[in-house]
Amino acid sequence: QVQLQESGPGLVKPSETLSLTCTVSGGSITNYYWSWIRQPPGKGLEWIGHIYYSGSTNYNPSLKSRVTISVDTSKNQFSLKVNSVTAADTAVYFCARDSAMQYWGQGTLVTVSS
Amino acid sequence: DIQMTQSPSSLSAYVGDRVTITCRASQGISNSLAWFQQKPGKAPKSLIYGASGLQSGVPSRFSGSGSGTEFTLTISSLQPEDFATYYCQQYNIYPYTFGQGTKLEIK
Repeated sequence: QVQLQESGPGLVKPSETLSLTCTVSGGSITNYYWSWIRQPPGKGLEWIGHIYYSGSTNYNPSLKSRVTISVDTSKNQFSLKVNSVTAADTAVYFCARDSAMQYWGQGTLVTVSS
Repeated sequence: DIQMTQSPSSLSAYVGDRVTITCRASQGISNSLAWFQQKPGKAPKSLIYGASGLQSGVPSRFSGSGSGTEFTLTISSLQPEDFATYYCQQYNIYPYTFGQGTKLEIK
């Protein structure tokens, strides 16, 4: 059974960089797309972007200038960086597998506050 | 961006009822549509992929249909554990987008 687990700081200061990692277990990271999605408190879901195991990426234009997604196949991990964060970036961040998002991590709350 | 519009936004129903949620895309997305169920404090759970494919382990009372711009999720006989928020998502054209959600509550 494929499992995903997000990890990273739960509190980030405004203007700094949010960094999260998603670790994949129970299956290989190869041959799949891997997505990041976020959900502000009490609101809906927003796709941030995804990466193919080979390293090619697609980002949501709403965040594109501030987002980088990378992959480390040797560790079965992929990562998210969002720079210049504001309070509007406060959300639960999820990682997921495939364009149809069959498997999800449990999510991690990131709060942007000084 | 493709806009995904779900209706209704909220719905009250009884255990045992048949319920249908509609998702409309602002332009054609073939059958590149998924449905998710989300309970409070939990990650979304994948129910349907490819508009009508049932994910492994999902009860057969859930079904999906549609193609192009109009899609439906049907629950044939509501169970207590089905009360949750449901989202549709298109993965045909970047950026992938979600519907605003349909909250299904117990009547």
